[in-house]
Amino acid sequence: AQSVAQPEDQVNVAEGNPLTVKCTYSVSGNPYLFWYVQYPNRGLQFLLKYITGDNLVKGSYGFEAEFNKSQTSFHLKKPSALVSDSALYFCAVRDRRTGGFKTIFGAGTRLFVKA
Amino acid sequence: DAGVIQSPRHEVTEMGQEVTLRCKPISGHDYLFWYRQTMMRGLELLIYFNNNVPIDDSGMPEDRFSAKMPNASFSTLKIQPSEPRDSAVYFCASSRALAIQETQYFGPGTRLLVL
Repeated sequence: AQSVAQPEDQVNVAEGNPLTVKCTYSVSGNPYLFWYVQYPNRGLQFLLKYITGDNLVKGSYGFEAEFNKSQTSFHLKKPSALVSDSALYFCAVRDRRTGGFKTIFGAGTRLFVKA
Repeated sequence: DAGVIQSPRHEVTEMGQEVTLRCKPISGHDYLFWYRQTMMRGLELLIYFNNNVPIDDSGMPEDRFSAKMPNASFSTLKIQPSEPRDSAVYFCASSRALAIQETQYFGPGTRLLVL
């Protein structure tokens, strides 16, 4: 069965420091992987996705994520955090082998960036 | 494009009452998804449609929940009768049908409180 784990409920970072939000996944086949961000009282917004090719994916707002097949991870990163990055971040996976549009979301990680 | 539109944005009702949530997907999107978000269970897929036809409703929690998509521009999620444990934020999302890796676009959500 597909699953996504975000091991940290919360990540605290000082503004200007690099940030990492962790995600590991479990699928029976090869995954499509996504990161979404949710600001207060808003729906989820797409940040980036891994489909195939280069393991380092660049997305919106300076975020990037690295696909690591051997570690089944897809950690979200940013070289220099901004206070405005404070939000709830979701990792998500689709199993391309089983097909369909069913997307499994992680529990979410709340990012706090302090000025 | 206005994005995915949901109404109402907030709903407060009493246990036992019928609740209807509405969604207008992005024009041209062939897939429509209903999600429920709670602190305890995170983001859960309830049901999704392709070309107005329900494809996977395995996430619908009980018979009290039903969803319809009478045309390409409108969908409803109905709870009858509602219970306090149905209190959550309900998101609608839509996606193009070009490929499985297409991004989902989320509406702002309906915050439901059942007293």
